[in-house]
Amino acid sequence: AQSVTQLDSQVPVFEEAPVELRCNYSSSVSVYLFWYVQYPNQGLQLLLKYLSGSTLVKGINGFEAEFNKSQTSFHLRKPSVHISDTAEYFCAVTGGTSYGKLTFGQGTILTVHP
Amino acid sequence: KAGVTQTPRYLIKTRGQQVTLSCSPISGHRSVSWYQQTPGQGLQFLFEYFSETQRNKGNFPGRFSGRQFSNSRSEMNVSTLELGDSALYLCASSSMGQGRNNEQFFGPGTRLTVL
Repeated sequence: AQSVTQLDSQVPVFEEAPVELRCNYSSSVSVYLFWYVQYPNQGLQLLLKYLSGSTLVKGINGFEAEFNKSQTSFHLRKPSVHISDTAEYFCAVTGGTSYGKLTFGQGTILTVHP
Repeated sequence: KAGVTQTPRYLIKTRGQQVTLSCSPISGHRSVSWYQQTPGQGLQFLFEYFSETQRNKGNFPGRFSGRQFSNSRSEMNVSTLELGDSALYLCASSSMGQGRNNEQFFGPGTRLTVL
């Protein structure tokens, strides 16, 4: 079985400040990791993914994440946030025989203040 | 390419009724997954279909069912609705070729309210 823990349910930050959203996972097989963003009343949009190769992954809108196998983490970072980054962010994992199944964390609400 | 579309976007039903939700995947995508999103339970996997076959299923009662057509469009059905079925139902599609772990593209969801 796989599981994901997002360590912060809410993260408030001021505009242009850096931010890190934390994600830890548990899996007995090799994993593939994703970060999605959800704006109010919308579906999920993929920010970035780790499938293999370089552990530092760059995504859209200036976000990046680092896969750390020894610490089973996949933290999301952005060096300078904008008001428009206010949204809920979900970390997700899949792997092994999990056909078409993403296991999600509980989400982190990022609020960017002016 | 057009994205994943879901219909209807909003639905209000009463307890005991049944409902059918529809999902059209991105052209060329053969895998369709369904998720339920609620404030209390978060995002939970319902089931996945690939080439008209259910390959994976989450821990939901038998009242939740689905199917996939030859054109990859998918429907999910919930029978005997309960208040707790009120949720945002999300559909996602993937090319899911030989590999199992391609990214999933999500639709806007169907907001179901059970009264």
